[in-house]
Amino acid sequence: AQSVTQPDIHITVSEGASLELRCNYSYGATPYLFWYVQSPGQGLQLLLKYFSGDTLVQGIKGFEAEFKRSQSSFNLRKPSVHWSDAAEYFCAVKDVDSNYQLIWGAGTKLIIKP
Amino acid sequence: EAGVAQSPRYKIIEKRQSVAFWCNPISGHATLYWYQQILGQGPKLLIQFQNNGVVDDSQLPKDRFSAERLKGVDSTLKIQPAKLEDSAVYLCASSLEQGPGELFFGEGSRLTVL
Repeated sequence: AQSVTQPDIHITVSEGASLELRCNYSYGATPYLFWYVQSPGQGLQLLLKYFSGDTLVQGIKGFEAEFKRSQSSFNLRKPSVHWSDAAEYFCAVKDVDSNYQLIWGAGTKLIIKP
Repeated sequence: EAGVAQSPRYKIIEKRQSVAFWCNPISGHATLYWYQQILGQGPKLLIQFQNNGVVDDSQLPKDRFSAERLKGVDSTLKIQPAKLEDSAVYLCASSLEQGPGELFFGEGSRLTVL
């Protein structure tokens, strides 16, 4: 069955430190990959997406993600986190085999230490 | 461009009561989604509309949940009668069409069932 795995439920990093959030998926076809962020009490905002082409994609708020087909991964990175980055981050995938339904990871909660 | 509008933002009801949530998608978006997000989990698709037709309602508890999208624009999600386990955030999202494109989310309606 198609699935998305975010292995880290919580991650704590110090303000100014670098960040990497992991996402792995299981799909046969070429996936369309997304990272969304959800601040407390808010809806989901798209950070970035990968459809094709350059496997390193840039998003909003200084985030980037790299698609690695050989590892079935789409990890999210930021070189220096800010306190305002504290939120929950969701990886999601869709493809033609899933009739373009978004399959969601369970989310990773990012905690920023001052 | 106006985003996805949802109301009410918050609702508290007692079990066995009914509740309705309203969503107005981004203008021109043919596809509308209702998701349920329980605290600490990723979103779960309840129903997807393409214009005013239902594309997928396989995870909608049809004995108590109903949704409609008259005229292919705004939509209403109803729960009757509510159960304790329906306490969640109900997210509405829209996209230009069904396919690989991104979803745009509203801020959600938080339901507490006592």
